[in-house]
Amino acid sequence: DIQLTQSPSFMSASVGDRVIITCRASRGISSYLNWYQQKPGKAPKLLIYAASNLQTGVPSRFSGSGSGTDFTVTISSLQPEDFATYYCQQSYSNFLTFGQGTKVEMK
Amino acid sequence: QVQLQESGPGLVRPSETLSLTCTVSGGSIKNYYWTWIRQPPGKGLEWIGYIYYSGDTNYNPSLEGRVTISVDTSRNHFSLNLRSVTPADTATYFCARDKDGYSFLWDSWGQGILVTVSS
Repeated sequence: DIQLTQSPSFMSASVGDRVIITCRASRGISSYLNWYQQKPGKAPKLLIYAASNLQTGVPSRFSGSGSGTDFTVTISSLQPEDFATYYCQQSYSNFLTFGQGTKVEMK
Repeated sequence: QVQLQESGPGLVRPSETLSLTCTVSGGSIKNYYWTWIRQPPGKGLEWIGYIYYSGDTNYNPSLEGRVTISVDTSRNHFSLNLRSVTPADTATYFCARDKDGYSFLWDSWGQGILVTVSS
């Protein structure tokens, strides 16, 4: 199976901060990497697919990049509604996997 | 806009079978892959498996042998059966629809249903 490792697992940030979350795959997955945002008690929400494509309706302050084994999601200016847990997910192999999550909390 | 809704018992006894249904409204179940994902309390997401509307399936190897996903196109719903459950199967179970029919990422989700395995 393809393992995804996110870093950091936890971060404290302030409104207006630039936030970068990294996802590393255990082997190359081309651009088959997706990002989700999850708030407590809610289902995950698709933010970015195929590494860098913004899902319809997602604010442009979110962006994604990377290919192969190393990927990032960037929030250019953190807003109050962005405090949440973020997960990467690979859709390269038949055995679909998620990263362990990155919790973004208010500093 | 498609909507998904999970239903089923919230409490299952150890060694029994967990059975959930996801009802799809606002769209057809045809031409898409449909997925089950779970999340233990306070933990991350785990893909369980998916089914195509035609019945083709693929399961997480760690659960294979215990899991069956089926689809009923006439009722526009799909179902999850997980056999021989233990407390480790306690989780919120989500159903989800594939974004483009075959891309194996999900843009439509149910709200989730918490299933507790306990005697």
